[in-house]
Amino acid sequence: QQPVQSPQAVILREGEDAVINCSSSKALYSVHWYRQKHGEAPVFLMILLKGGEQKGHEKISASFNEKKQQSSLYLTASQLSYSGTYFCGTETNNYGQNFVFGPGTRLSVLP
Amino acid sequence: DAGITQSPRHKVTETGTPVTLRCHQTENHRYMYWYRQDPGHGLRLIHYSYGVKDTDKGEVSDGYSVSRSKTEDFLLTLESATSSQTSVYFCAISATGEAWAEAFFGQGTRLTVV
Repeated sequence: QQPVQSPQAVILREGEDAVINCSSSKALYSVHWYRQKHGEAPVFLMILLKGGEQKGHEKISASFNEKKQQSSLYLTASQLSYSGTYFCGTETNNYGQNFVFGPGTRLSVLP
Repeated sequence: DAGITQSPRHKVTETGTPVTLRCHQTENHRYMYWYRQDPGHGLRLIHYSYGVKDTDKGEVSDGYSVSRSKTEDFLLTLESATSSQTSVYFCAISATGEAWAEAFFGQGTRLTVV
């Protein structure tokens, strides 16, 4: 079952912060985050595993609340290069073949 | 960048014709995937492969078939193309199929069925 992402779209000014949420109705084992710029392939950002630590990559970090079956992606002090569509992907077990992407959140960072 | 190439990058075809898309990797990764991307749906899995001649269906497999005769190549075939199969198709690879594995995507193939 496809996870739900919110918001569907967000517009920011450079330097502002944003949070993108991903939630599922099923118990999750892992959450993956990808970013896709217009006309390009999706690019991996990070994976969060059940029982694992919060991940971070420069000014982009994420958390995983196993009890609520949700994950949040935090973009701090947004840069123009952060613009794109962010997808979460979820798995309900460790066997890998139940991975499902969410519909995406379009992020636009303006000067 | 991961060595993954899709061909063709663009194709226009007529309804009812067969179409084959190719994904080629140089990473020797075991897992290969075909996704389609449509507005509002994100990326949806069509088929995947976990080894040579080992394939399985994804969530939107109807109307599609795949083959993998070599580790490096994964072919997606539309048996008889329909307008509903107009989409952008992405191939992806990963070293394993486990939950911690990241996937690397090809640049995509834009297919238009007229």
